[in-house]
Amino acid sequence: AQTVTQSQPEMSVQEAETVTLSCTYDTSESDYYLFWYKQPPSRQMILVIRQEAYKQQNATENRFSVNFQKAAKSFSLKISDSQLGDAAMYFCAPASNFGNEKLTFGTGTRLTIIP
Amino acid sequence: EPEVTQTPSHQVTQMGQEVILRCVPISNHLYFYWYRQILGQKVEFLVSFYNNEISEKSEIFDDQFSVERPDGSNFTLKIRSTKLEDSAMYFCASTSGGAVNEQFFGPGTRLTVL
Repeated sequence: AQTVTQSQPEMSVQEAETVTLSCTYDTSESDYYLFWYKQPPSRQMILVIRQEAYKQQNATENRFSVNFQKAAKSFSLKISDSQLGDAAMYFCAPASNFGNEKLTFGTGTRLTIIP
Repeated sequence: EPEVTQTPSHQVTQMGQEVILRCVPISNHLYFYWYRQILGQKVEFLVSFYNNEISEKSEIFDDQFSVERPDGSNFTLKIRSTKLEDSAMYFCASTSGGAVNEQFFGPGTRLTVL
């Protein structure tokens, strides 16, 4: 079983600046994935980035990158050059790599972009 | 690009009525999921489905809920007798079952129970 903690209910950032959203988790699995999903006002769930737990290198996807600290069970999301379209709820979710198990979501962080 | 689709986008029903929410997963995917999100809360897992049977279900998924894959394309969630607290956004998701377990979500169905 996994638990997820997103300690920042709300964050705001100036357009073009950088912001980091935090996530900590607990899992008994040895092999797992970590995901960040974005939920804009349309409420569609959109995958932002994923990290394989066995990889030491942090994942990067254009302006989005993660800081994965496996020992600390921390998985933060950094958004560089923030854009108005980045405004959304962001959910962190670990998932076991075994048997295509369910995603366990955190409570989310609402990100506001200030023009 | 393939996508998960859901119908209807918004369903309004009276308490006690049966509703069926429909999903068409991505065609070569093998694992299917339903999640729900009560307004302002986190996304919660309901049920997973593989090889024509339930793989796992949460405590929320009680006897009022059922899932079915009636043909090769649709994946449905039925709520037999809706309650006010069933009002939520319901998301369908699917994955191919490969190494990555990346789940693709549909746009959701907003269910309003009056």
